[in-house]
Amino acid sequence: NAGVTQTPKFQVLKTGQSMTLQCAQDMNHEYMSWYRQDPGMGLRLIHYSVGAGITDQGEVPNGYNVSRSTTEDFPLRLLSAAPSQTSVYFCASSVFPSDTEAFFGQGTRLTVV
Amino acid sequence: DAKTTQPTSMDCAEGRAANLPCNHSTISGNEYVYWYRQIHSQGPQYIIHGLKNNETNEMASLIITEDRKSSTLILPHATLRDTAVYYCIVMEYGNKLVFGAGTILRVKS
Repeated sequence: NAGVTQTPKFQVLKTGQSMTLQCAQDMNHEYMSWYRQDPGMGLRLIHYSVGAGITDQGEVPNGYNVSRSTTEDFPLRLLSAAPSQTSVYFCASSVFPSDTEAFFGQGTRLTVV
Repeated sequence: DAKTTQPTSMDCAEGRAANLPCNHSTISGNEYVYWYRQIHSQGPQYIIHGLKNNETNEMASLIITEDRKSSTLILPHATLRDTAVYYCIVMEYGNKLVFGAGTILRVKS
């Protein structure tokens, strides 16, 4: 049971480039979300989804797009990378609705130069 | 905005109990108290959660005051591997996790 898998683990982009951060879970969870974590700070919610075809914005959605075509996958797209998007990105999944635990991936460390 | 207040950092001796406080004075009746931790920039790890009653699992105990305005996470026998940032989060059933800055717990030998 792999849990939540994020790829890649590390990425360097040039300003203006686009890329997709991948997130996959094998627990059949309805709820998936993306967070970013800047140095010395807590996690901030970017986008989330409560099921296939349903997505919504979190606290810091600007510059990011998401889609949810399957239960398993929830990719995060950076349309035109900026240095301010240098951060560590975490994907999470959980049963929804529920009071049970959320499972997090190991993160993608992104540097935009 | 995070609905909780936690100390910025705490130290604990290895083998002793670590007691991490959290203030959530504006908690509503249908909101749960969750604790997660993050070890050295890894993905956050769930520890425990509760609504009204005290809870215990293999990792920790959660003590919630009767008025639910504060809680304490107890790691009964802290080890060096428990050094991490601990997040106390108040959340409605099925809602979004909102992380604050957390408490940096340093376990020292």
